[in-house]
Amino acid sequence: DTGVSQDPRHKITKRGQNVTFRCDPISEHNRLYWYRQTLGQGPEFLTYFQNEAQLEKSRLLSDRFSAERPKGSFSTLEIQRTEQGDSAMYLCASSRAGGLTQPQHFGDGTRLSIL
Amino acid sequence: AQRVTQPEKLLSVFKGAPVELKCNYSYSGSPELFWYVQYSRQRLQLLLRHISRESIKGFTADLNKGETSFHLKKPFAQEEDSAMYYCALSGDRDDKIIFGKGTRLHILP
Repeated sequence: DTGVSQDPRHKITKRGQNVTFRCDPISEHNRLYWYRQTLGQGPEFLTYFQNEAQLEKSRLLSDRFSAERPKGSFSTLEIQRTEQGDSAMYLCASSRAGGLTQPQHFGDGTRLSIL
Repeated sequence: AQRVTQPEKLLSVFKGAPVELKCNYSYSGSPELFWYVQYSRQRLQLLLRHISRESIKGFTADLNKGETSFHLKKPFAQEEDSAMYYCALSGDRDDKIIFGKGTRLHILP
């Protein structure tokens, strides 16, 4: 098991374009989380799934952001009409169900740069 | 409001000296507290959590509910401890983690 995998590692795009990131969790983990991290800050929670159900969304997640986990395995995070402020590291994490008695395992992240 | 405060952005400590990374939290309930660490060019990983009451790599952290603190301590710093450390909490009805801004620990030779 290689752990949580995220693709791409880096994404550079022009303002106004749409981008999509992918996260593959650890295979036996049914919970999947998305976080965003900007320079000088800790990761900020965006949303999380248990299996294919999206159970919570942060107010940080504007209507330009959408996340899916259609088969309860990998997840995608799409940002439409990107803005300069979307530049950040997008982190994915996974865990088993059972709340926080099970630690979250993080991926390497996708670094998004908006030109 | 849920909040985690790490007052130091950077902490420089000589090798062999004691380390204390400060963390204070705000939460109206019974939170679960964590320390995460990110070594250079590695991914974020869990270092320890208060419910485990364990020592990892010589680090310990005690939850002080009266002072709402969860400071990370190590009696003798080692060069390999140089990393970014994040204090974090989760609420009793939440699965999301709230992170502090992090403290960069630099161990001087």
